Amino acid sequence: GAVVSQHPSWVICKSGTSVKIECRSLDFQATTMFWYRQFPKQSLMLMATSNEGSKATYEQGVEKDKFLINHASLTLSTLTVTSAHPEDSSFYICSAPETTDTQYFGPGTRLTVL
Amino acid sequence: GESVGLHLPTLSVQEGDNSIINCAYSNSASDYFIWYKQESGKGPQFIIDIRSNMDKRQGQRVTVLLNKTVKHLSLQIAATQPGDSAVYFCAEIDAGGTSYGKLTFGQGTILTVHP
Repeated sequence: GAVVSQHPSWVICKSGTSVKIECRSLDFQATTMFWYRQFPKQSLMLMATSNEGSKATYEQGVEKDKFLINHASLTLSTLTVTSAHPEDSSFYICSAPETTDTQYFGPGTRLTVL
Repeated sequence: GESVGLHLPTLSVQEGDNSIINCAYSNSASDYFIWYKQESGKGPQFIIDIRSNMDKRQGQRVTVLLNKTVKHLSLQIAATQPGDSAVYFCAEIDAGGTSYGKLTFGQGTILTVHP
């Protein structure tokens, strides 16, 4: 079946640095991708909708200047956490709908900010 | 509704028992519902789905029940196995919504299966 990949699978960075996470749809094109954040033992929180060819749509309370999203092509969306701080440490997951009813999730990226 | 900041409820069962995981959804306009399984450190995996014009759908060892009157969804797992231990989330889609494929996740339940 279709696959969505994320890179890196985990990253450790120092406070104040920026981290880029990639989300790729491997065998289908995705004009829309979604970025989620998940804290331990909590549900997935939608951060933003990544739109190929246009600006991302951010959920209420998510800082667009801190979490930069670029949907560079029909198979790639990137999330950049700028000036990361320890409170940004979380599990970041992307998803891409192949059809209205079929959506695939990436394996997630564990971010730890020291 | 929002689950931000809330820790997930837990369900512990013995191997071989049947498990029932419940979910309340908020949007009465949602017309498509999905159950996902998430193992530790991994992304969610699709288990089973159901459309709003159905009350019940069965898969292999799993059954989803939908009660639109009270906006309630349940996942039944028959003969639960240790490999079923994971976090289970329900998700809803409003096809009439503005974002293509946008999911709204429920709170989730941690299922632990004891041998």
